[in-house]
Amino acid sequence: DAGVIQSPRHEVTEMGQEVTLRCKPISGHNSLFWYRQTMMRGLELLIYFNNNVPIDDSGMPEDRFSAKMPNASFSTLKIQPSEPRDSAVYFCASSFRDRGETQYFGPGTRLLVL
Amino acid sequence: GNSVTQMEGPVTLSEEAFLTINCTYTATGYPSLFWYVQYPGEGLQLLLKATKADDKGSNKGFEATYRKETTSFHLEKGSVQVSDSAVYFCALGNAGNMLTFGGGTRLMVKP
Repeated sequence: DAGVIQSPRHEVTEMGQEVTLRCKPISGHNSLFWYRQTMMRGLELLIYFNNNVPIDDSGMPEDRFSAKMPNASFSTLKIQPSEPRDSAVYFCASSFRDRGETQYFGPGTRLLVL
Repeated sequence: GNSVTQMEGPVTLSEEAFLTINCTYTATGYPSLFWYVQYPGEGLQLLLKATKADDKGSNKGFEATYRKETTSFHLEKGSVQVSDSAVYFCALGNAGNMLTFGGGTRLMVKP
C-alpha cells in the first residue's frame, strides 16, 4: 500500500504567489483531512471531506485558502495570494469513515513563503 | 466540546529509562483514544489506540490504558531507546470521524 501521497514535499515561493498543494488519499478511504502544523500554533485542522464533500471548513484561516476534492483519489489545497505567515508544514490525512477510525497521514508539504 | 491536554515537553531521558507521558481528555460520549508519533521530518504515525474503557493499546513496547474514571490515557514505556526520540501526540476521536489532538510532547532520549 502506497500510503497517503503528497506533493510537492517542499515549496518555496514569494509573497503574493499562488500555491497549490496536492494529496492522494489511500485507496478505499472516504474521508480526507488537511492540517497545518507550526511551532506557534501546533497542529490545526483546516478542512475535512467525507465522500468528496466538504463537511467542516471552520479551520480554514481566511478566504485566501480554498480546498477541493474533485474525486475520491485527489484533493488540492490552494493559497492565493500567499503570505509569509502561511509558512508551515501542511499534512493530508485519510481514513475510512467510522466512529473513531484511524487517520493515516502523508509525509507533509513544507511551505516557505518569502 | 472535546479537548485533550498532555504534558508539556521536552521530556529528556537517558536510554533505558522509564517513560510516562500524561494525557487527559474531556469529551462527550465514548470517544476512541489514540497516541500518534512524529519523527523528525515525517508525518504523524499511529502508535496505538483504544476504543473503549479499560482497553489497553500497545505497540513497539509502548502501552496506554483507557481510564474512563480519570479521563486519562497515559503513554508508558519501560525502557526507552535513542530511536524513540520524537514528538508524541495524544488524540481523541468522536462522532464525525474528526480527531482532537493534544499539543504534542517532545521526547529526547540521550545515549
